[in-house]
Formats: sequence, C-alpha cells, structure tokens
Amino acid sequence: EVQLVQSGAEVKKPGESLKISCKGSGYSFTSYWIGWVRQMPGKGLEWMGIIYPGDSDTRYSPSFQGQVTISADKSISTAYLQWSSLKASDTAMYYCARPPTSSSWYGVYWGQGTLVTVSS
Amino acid sequence: SYELTQPPSVSVSPGQTARITCSGDALPKKYAYWYQQKSGQAPVLVIYEDSKRPSGIPERFSGSSSGTMATLTISGAQVEDEADYYCYSTDSSGVFGGGTKLTVL
Repeated sequence: EVQLVQSGAEVKKPGESLKISCKGSGYSFTSYWIGWVRQMPGKGLEWMGIIYPGDSDTRYSPSFQGQVTISADKSISTAYLQWSSLKASDTAMYYCARPPTSSSWYGVYWGQGTLVTVSS
Repeated sequence: SYELTQPPSVSVSPGQTARITCSGDALPKKYAYWYQQKSGQAPVLVIYEDSKRPSGIPERFSGSSSGTMATLTISGAQVEDEADYYCYSTDSSGVFGGGTKLTVL
C-alpha cells in the first residue's frame, strides 16, 4: 500500500528556519515524482514544486522559486520542503503528493498534511 | 505564468446536475484533472486526463474538455458532494484553479 506520512505540526517565529518531511512507503521511492502543495487558511490549493528522487531533478512554480527548497533523501525515502527564513505569510497547510505513474505530475496519493504556523 | 480560472461558487439542489468549469489557454494541449476537497481533508482525485474516473469514484462524476475549457459534471448531485473542487493542469509547472465551492441544498 502506497503511503505518504508527513511530519507533525510546527509553530515557528518569523525569521526562523524550518524543514518539513514526507516519507514514502509501499513503492519504489526513486521512481516517482513527489510534489508539494500549499493551502493557506481558508484559501485554495497552490502547486509549489516537484522533485524526482531518483536523480533529484526539481521544478518549482515561478511563485515559489527562491522562496523554498525542495529536496529528497532516497536512502530514507523522504522528501523535504524547507525555508531559510519564515514569514507570517508562510502560515499554511502543506501537503505532499505522488502521481500514479513515473511520468506524470498529478497527485493521486496524498500525505495527511503538515500545518505550519508562523507567529511572533 | 499559466492560470486556470474557475467560478467561485456553484449551487444546486439535490438530484440536479452540477457543472463546474475551468478555463485555461493551455487546455487544448494539456489534460485537465479535478480534485474534490472536503473541509479538513486532503484533496481526492475525481477525474484525470480530462474525462477518466479513478476507481472508487461514483459514476455521477464525469469530465469533458473542449478548446480552452474543461468541465466537471456531477449528474444527480448528492448532499455528500458538497465540497470545494479544483481543476489542475500542467504547463512548465503544475497549476491549480482557484477552486469552486459546490453547495448542494
């Protein structure tokens, strides 16, 4: 069974750094893209970027390029989303998602979400 | 950057047909996908590649695409279909539409 398990909720202050994770199991982690999606409180879904753990090929939405870093550690089947300096506007639910095939980019399997709260 | 446009809200009575549209310049060349998101839950894929239905999704959900517009149709909408619906497509990156709140009452 394919599962994506995300790290727990975080409460941070503006300016702090953060790295959240998404651990894949039940499939070959290196053979499928994993994407990240943001959902700000009461707002819609936003596609942030995607990584292919097999070769670390990473693509970002223009809106998020330079704002976050997506990475993966294939030795532990885990993808990451990180910030070097959080802002209050980073407060959101973040989801990771995996497509059904190795060549597609739409999420079928989703993590449970990680709530990030940034507040002074 | 590429954009997908959806109406903010659609309202139908139970048993009626709900249609949610999604417009985007790349849709003649790119597939549309549709997600259902209920409050507090992760999104669920209900239509992929314009018109295909994943296993487990009720037959009342269907999709179509023509020109720059994709449409999600829920035939005989049920109260449990009340949710936010998002279209999704890809160009050089992925993109979601702004979402449509479907009310069934």
